[in-house]
Amino acid sequence: RKEVEQDPGPFNVPEGATVAFNCTYSNSASQSFFWYRQDCRKEPKLLMSVYSSGNEDGRFTAQLNRASQYISLLIRDSKLSDSATYLCVVNRGYGGATNKLIFGTGTLLAVQP
Amino acid sequence: ETGVTQSPTHLIKTRGQQVTLRCSSQSGHNTVSWYQQALGQGPQFIFQYYREEENGRGNFPPRFSGLQFPNYSSELNVNALELDDSALYLCASSLLTGNQPQHFGDGTRLSIL
Repeated sequence: RKEVEQDPGPFNVPEGATVAFNCTYSNSASQSFFWYRQDCRKEPKLLMSVYSSGNEDGRFTAQLNRASQYISLLIRDSKLSDSATYLCVVNRGYGGATNKLIFGTGTLLAVQP
Repeated sequence: ETGVTQSPTHLIKTRGQQVTLRCSSQSGHNTVSWYQQALGQGPQFIFQYYREEENGRGNFPPRFSGLQFPNYSSELNVNALELDDSALYLCASSLLTGNQPQHFGDGTRLSIL
């Protein structure tokens, strides 16, 4: 079993749709959580950090449930430019220990006109 | 603010050869991590460098080695290249303190023939 699991998709949605991505992680010692976005043949770019209280950045909302070891990302009013692979990422290090990112395989989103 | 830069952008090698990839960290960042991303997969942690010392390693054989220099730039060296080493190699820089997100360079696409 992979340490970070995501549905690989693809998710094909029309413009304006709301889409939700889910992710689970297996290591309860994980300290911090992120969503990264990766465009085809490009590097991953930080989309947002994820906090237990939930956090929102414009059309994007991220949630973390530590008890269930579950992370989610909600995208409202999808745009064509949202088409990309969304990577669920867990940081297993803290402070002086190894700051090591564990990535899911990514979920491919294709927003259709 | 200068971002993470990697060189070269693309590289073609043959089996058994050796390769060196380079990374300059983002201004102010003291930690460099290297990841390997095979096609269709999320990035996999290779190792991390902090204060010129290896600060954690993933499941990669010893033929993957690295260096960090006093200016925090880093090199990834791979000896005895194998076909499965074909991948996108990503460098990420961050601060070691706390659970800081990591910022990636554009990557080096390595092809082994």
